[in-house]
Amino acid sequence: KNEVEQSPQNLTAQEGEFITINCSYSVGISALHWLQQHPGGGIVSLFMLSSGKKKHGRLIATINIQEKHSSLHITASHPRDSAVYICAVSPTGNQFYFGTGTSLTVIP
Amino acid sequence: EAGVAQSPRYKIIEKRQSVAFWCNPISGHATLYWYQQILGQGPKLLIQFQNNGVVDDSQLPKDRFSAERLKGVDSTLKIQPAKLEDSAVYLCASRSGLAGTGELFFGEGSRLTVL
Repeated sequence: KNEVEQSPQNLTAQEGEFITINCSYSVGISALHWLQQHPGGGIVSLFMLSSGKKKHGRLIATINIQEKHSSLHITASHPRDSAVYICAVSPTGNQFYFGTGTSLTVIP
Repeated sequence: EAGVAQSPRYKIIEKRQSVAFWCNPISGHATLYWYQQILGQGPKLLIQFQNNGVVDDSQLPKDRFSAERLKGVDSTLKIQPAKLEDSAVYLCASRSGLAGTGELFFGEGSRLTVL
């Protein structure tokens, strides 16, 4: 069983749509990370959060520690948002567990 | 601030050959990770360094993979001999801060194709 589960695995949206990607985890954590990976590219850290909600531009990340669940929202989606979004959790120390990612395609 | 630097970006070799990847983390970052990412999967930890010491190498196939971070700064990951199943992107990441803190920064990755 994976410590981190993401849904959906694949997502196609029309430009302008509101998008939600979900992440559930089974371990106690000190922090949760949302990462973005463009095709052929490296990974960029979008958010690191341990409670509540963070917002950066059109991206919003929320976490519910009690329910062991986090969501990444993209408002007014754009084709340049097309990428793989990865949820990663850090239980203790410097260890990470990664989800398998959600592949997002935004169609113009 | 310069990011995590990796080279080469792409490498194609035949099975049983050897290959080495290099990583220079963000200046001052004590923790350095090497991950293997096979297409369609999440990153898998190969080895974690804290300064020049190994913290976790439990998933490193030590019969063929080796890694070092001699001066606690840059690091090399070597595969010898390579197998077909080693085809993947090798990601280097670094992190500052004490255990459990600090944002994670990744390099662009080194894509290995083993023929």
